Amino acid sequence: GEDVEQSLFLSVREGDSSVINCTYTDSSSTYLYWYKQEPGAGLQLLTYIFSNMDMKQDQRLTVLLNKKDKHLSLRIADTQTGDSAIYFCAESMQDSNYQLIWGAGTKLIIKP
Amino acid sequence: DTEVTQTPKHLVMGMTNKKSLKCEQHMGHRAMYWYKQKAKKPPELMFVYSYEKLSINESVPSRFSPECPNSSLLNLHLHALQPEDSALYLCASSLNLGQGTYEQYFGPGTRLTVT
Repeated sequence: GEDVEQSLFLSVREGDSSVINCTYTDSSSTYLYWYKQEPGAGLQLLTYIFSNMDMKQDQRLTVLLNKKDKHLSLRIADTQTGDSAIYFCAESMQDSNYQLIWGAGTKLIIKP
Repeated sequence: DTEVTQTPKHLVMGMTNKKSLKCEQHMGHRAMYWYKQKAKKPPELMFVYSYEKLSINESVPSRFSPECPNSSLLNLHLHALQPEDSALYLCASSLNLGQGTYEQYFGPGTRLTVT
């Protein structure tokens, strides 16, 4: 079946690392995405990873993919107040013509 | 440039009004999308256009009517909406559709309130 799951909230202290987790169920998924949505704004594509990769790094962002456990994580190093947003995990699958299947979103709360 | 623009940013309309939402991209993308997003929820796909032809309609009520006049523009015509249609309407585009992934780039959205 098609299901992407995320915890709804994550609270971290400014300067710490944030790790946002996502699990997916469909074994035919090929690409996995992280989008960021700030209050009142659209969705910003942060990064994506192909399902034959294990890791992708881009500046403060590190994506880890555990294919065996169908687990995806987004690590944000040195979390800043500007990182406060909702982070959506999404997968695209060949079976669905590569349309996006979305998680519920994780709200990242930054404590001073 | 990965910019998708949408107008207006905010729209308030009555249930008998007719209005249109507009979306534009100049990235040469051939697939364009309309999504509806309720507060604190992920976006829900409404329509997909590929090469200016409607490719996917996710059983959207006929009071929403999409139009793709050319490869850069996408409109959503609204008529006789209900209060429950109030939401953030997001436009997105991608290089193409299917056959591998083409990441979708989103506009800032139009916040629609139906009174």
